[in-house]
Amino acid sequence: GAGVSQSPSNKVTEKGKDVELRCDPISGHTALYWYRQSLGQGLEFLIYFQGNSAPDKSGLPSDRFSAERTGGSVSTLTIQRTQQEDSAVYLCASTTGPTRESPLHFGNGTRLTVT
Amino acid sequence: AQSVTQLDSQVPVFEEAPVELRCNYSSSVSVYLFWYVQYPNQGLQLLLKYLSGSTLVKGINGFEAEFNKSQTSFHLRKPSVHISDTAEYFCAVTNTGFQKLVFGTGTRLLVSP
Repeated sequence: GAGVSQSPSNKVTEKGKDVELRCDPISGHTALYWYRQSLGQGLEFLIYFQGNSAPDKSGLPSDRFSAERTGGSVSTLTIQRTQQEDSAVYLCASTTGPTRESPLHFGNGTRLTVT
Repeated sequence: AQSVTQLDSQVPVFEEAPVELRCNYSSSVSVYLFWYVQYPNQGLQLLLKYLSGSTLVKGINGFEAEFNKSQTSFHLRKPSVHISDTAEYFCAVTNTGFQKLVFGTGTRLLVSP
C-alpha cells in the first residue's frame, strides 16, 4: 500500500520567505509526527498529533514554526520568515497508535534549503 | 523528560567483523526503546524494539540489542556485518505516556571490504 507521502521533495527558498511543507500519512493512522534532520543534530522532534487531542508542540523551535492537521489526515508544516538555520530535511511519520504498539512509518522527507 | 545519547557519531568497521553501536538513555519512568535504521537515500525504518520481557531483542538483518536497566543502555550489536549494513542508526525512547518518540543524534556505520 501507499506509504507516507511528503511534498515537495526539495524546496529552495530565499531568506525571509514563508514555506509550506505537506505530509500525507498512511490512511487510518491516527498519530502524526514532524521531525527535523540536520547534519550532526540527528532527528529533532518538532510536533506530534494524536487523534483529536491537542497537539504536542513542545519541539517547535520558534514561533515562526506552526503546523496543522486537517480532518485528522493531511498535515502542513509552515515556516514563516525562513532563516538559513532552517535548512534541513523535514521528516513526517505516522503510526496507528501508541508508538509501543506499532512502528513509525516515515516519509522520504522534504529537503529545505534557505539561501 | 526522556532522552538518548549516542556517543559515537561514526563507526568504521571491516566486513564480517562484529560491531556494537552504543545507546544510553535517561528517563525517570519506565521506558520503551527502539533502534531505527536509515539506509542511503531511503527513509527510516524500524530495526527492533524493547517493550518488556526478555532483555535481549532480535531485529531484522541479524541485529540484536540488549536492554540493561542498571546501566541505562540499549546497545545494538551484530556479530558479522555486511557492506549492505552501511547506514545511519538511530536509537529512540518513549515512555508509558507515548506522547512522543525522542531520537538520538545517530551513528553512521561504515562497512568497508
